Amino acid sequence: GAVVSQHPSRVICKSGTSVKIECRSLDFQATTMFWYRQFPKKSLMLMATSNEGSKATYEQGVEKDKFLINHASLTLSTLTVTSAHPEDSSFYICSAPGRKQETQYFGPGTRLLVL
Amino acid sequence: AQSVTQLGSHVSVSEGALVLLRCNYSSSVPPYLFWYVQYPNQGLQLLLKYTSAATLVKGINGFEAEFKKSETSFHLTKPSAHMSDAAEYFCAVSDGSNNDMRFGAGTRLTVKP
Repeated sequence: GAVVSQHPSRVICKSGTSVKIECRSLDFQATTMFWYRQFPKKSLMLMATSNEGSKATYEQGVEKDKFLINHASLTLSTLTVTSAHPEDSSFYICSAPGRKQETQYFGPGTRLLVL
Repeated sequence: AQSVTQLGSHVSVSEGALVLLRCNYSSSVPPYLFWYVQYPNQGLQLLLKYTSAATLVKGINGFEAEFKKSETSFHLTKPSAHMSDAAEYFCAVSDGSNNDMRFGAGTRLTVKP
């Protein structure tokens, strides 16, 4: 079946550095991918919609200059957390829709810890 | 705009007992509804989904959910809880057109021996 991978699965960085998270669709193409953020013991919050070949669409309240999204190919979207701070520590999950519109495939998530 | 509300952030049942996790939705268009399970430090796994076909949907691991339009509900049930069912469960809604989903706050299921 369709699989979405994320890399890295876990990252620890110092405050002020930038971190890039990759989301790949394996064996299928995704012109759209979604990035979610999950706080501890909280639900997933949609951050942005990544569009292949065009700018990402950000949800209200999400800083686009803070969370840079690049969807350079039909199988890869990246989320870069720029100048990370401890409050950016979270679990980031991406998803990609399958052929059937209602089907979403979720990545395993990336846990970011900013010291 | 669509949204879901999960009643009860934490549900505790005994092993072998009925599991009932509640979800109510709000949608201006016919909704697609989903239940996902998340184990600690893992991503989401789809349990089942409703996409305007049969109102009673059967999923994996013995779970099922019933779409009730009159009650705007999509509650998740399992006749007999197993220890391995302990996890976080999320209800989600989508309109099916742009694929983005809105998630409920989640319900943590604890299963007591």
